Amino acid sequence: SQTIHQWPATLVQPVGSPLSLECTVEGTSNPNLYWYRQAAGRGLQLLFYSVGIGQISSEVPQNLSASRPQDRQFILSSKKLLLSDSGFYLCAWSVWAEHGYTFGSGTRLTVV
Amino acid sequence: GENVEQHPSTLSVQEGDSAVIKCTYSDSASNYFPWYKQELGKRPQLIIDIRSNVGEKKDQRIAVTLNKTAKHFSLHITETQPEDSAVYFCAASPGTASKLTFGTGTRLQVTL
Repeated sequence: SQTIHQWPATLVQPVGSPLSLECTVEGTSNPNLYWYRQAAGRGLQLLFYSVGIGQISSEVPQNLSASRPQDRQFILSSKKLLLSDSGFYLCAWSVWAEHGYTFGSGTRLTVV
Repeated sequence: GENVEQHPSTLSVQEGDSAVIKCTYSDSASNYFPWYKQELGKRPQLIIDIRSNVGEKKDQRIAVTLNKTAKHFSLHITETQPEDSAVYFCAASPGTASKLTFGTGTRLQVTL
């Protein structure tokens, strides 16, 4: 069966520090991968999505970046965090959108 | 691109009553409409979905209806229980594109 792993679960980082969040998927090949951010009490904002290794599409201009170095690995990064980067970050995967997404357990990031 | 609007943003019902959440979409090419439930601090989880070749789908106390002509779809929860309290998101997938566009969410509270 397919599983998705996301870590860390919580993170407190100072303003200006770097960020690296990792997501891996098991049990499937060539998944579509997504990074979403959810501000407190708000909806799901799509940040990046990838349909294959090295293929990254950015939905929102910001100081974040994403990379997909391996088929089932998706990384969200920042060189310098801002206070506004605080939120709940969710990784998700799908084979096709028509089969729905499966979300990871999320990373709660607080920038202080 | 696709735009999904969701109403209401908050909904309070008494235990045992029904709850209805409505969404509209803009892209007539959309053909897949999932609903996700997100409990506090948890990841969103798929609870039901519908494809454009059917008008209604039921799963126990949950049903989803789709009106392609009007481009709207709705989630119906009958005999609500306290454990139904959560945020519900609708979403739409436009044709063969790999992305889901999410609504802004509805916070459902079921009171005793």
